[in-house]
Amino acid sequence: DIQMTQSPSSLSASVGDRVTITCRASQSISTYLNWYQQKPGKAPKLLIYAASSLQSGVPSRFSGSGSGTDFTLTISSLQPEDFATYYCQQSYSIPWTFGQGTTVEIK
Amino acid sequence: QVQLVQSGAEVKKPGASVKVSCKASGYTFSGYYMHWVRQAPGQGLEWMGWINPNSGGTNYAQKFQGRVTMTRDTSISTAYMELSRLRSDDTAVYYCARGNAIAAAGTGGDYWGQGTLLTVSS
Repeated sequence: DIQMTQSPSSLSASVGDRVTITCRASQSISTYLNWYQQKPGKAPKLLIYAASSLQSGVPSRFSGSGSGTDFTLTISSLQPEDFATYYCQQSYSIPWTFGQGTTVEIK
Repeated sequence: QVQLVQSGAEVKKPGASVKVSCKASGYTFSGYYMHWVRQAPGQGLEWMGWINPNSGGTNYAQKFQGRVTMTRDTSISTAYMELSRLRSDDTAVYYCARGNAIAAAGTGGDYWGQGTLLTVSS
């Protein structure tokens, strides 16, 4: 199975800050990397697919980059509704595997 | 619009079985894989397997082999996930998620059900 490692596991930030979350795969996954946002009690929501494609309806302050084994999710200007947990996930091969999550908290 | 609506919360005793349903609407049900993912309380996301609604073919995570069965009823656009020999550590929220179109490249889950809480307790 492909292991996904996210960092940091949590971070504190203020509204308006630029936030970056990284995800590393244990082997090359090309650009088969997806990012999700999850709020308490809710299902995950797809933000970015294929490493850098913005899912329909997702604000443009979210962006993704990377290929191979190293990937980044960036929120250009953090908004109050962005405080949540973020997961990366590889869809290169079965089984799908997820990072352990990064919780973005209010500073 | 695409919607996945899951069945309600369940409480089961250890050793029992549970069957969770996921009714799809707003798209061609047989045209997309359906995945099942679970999340234990306070924990991350764990993939359980997928079903190809067109063929009925399945692919299960090794961890759940022998305990999980995924089926579908195309006449009512509904996927099912049955988990048997339940244990207390199966307590989790179970999600269905639409995957990529059949014969397309692998993508993530673009639509998710609302989740079904399963509590396993004696």
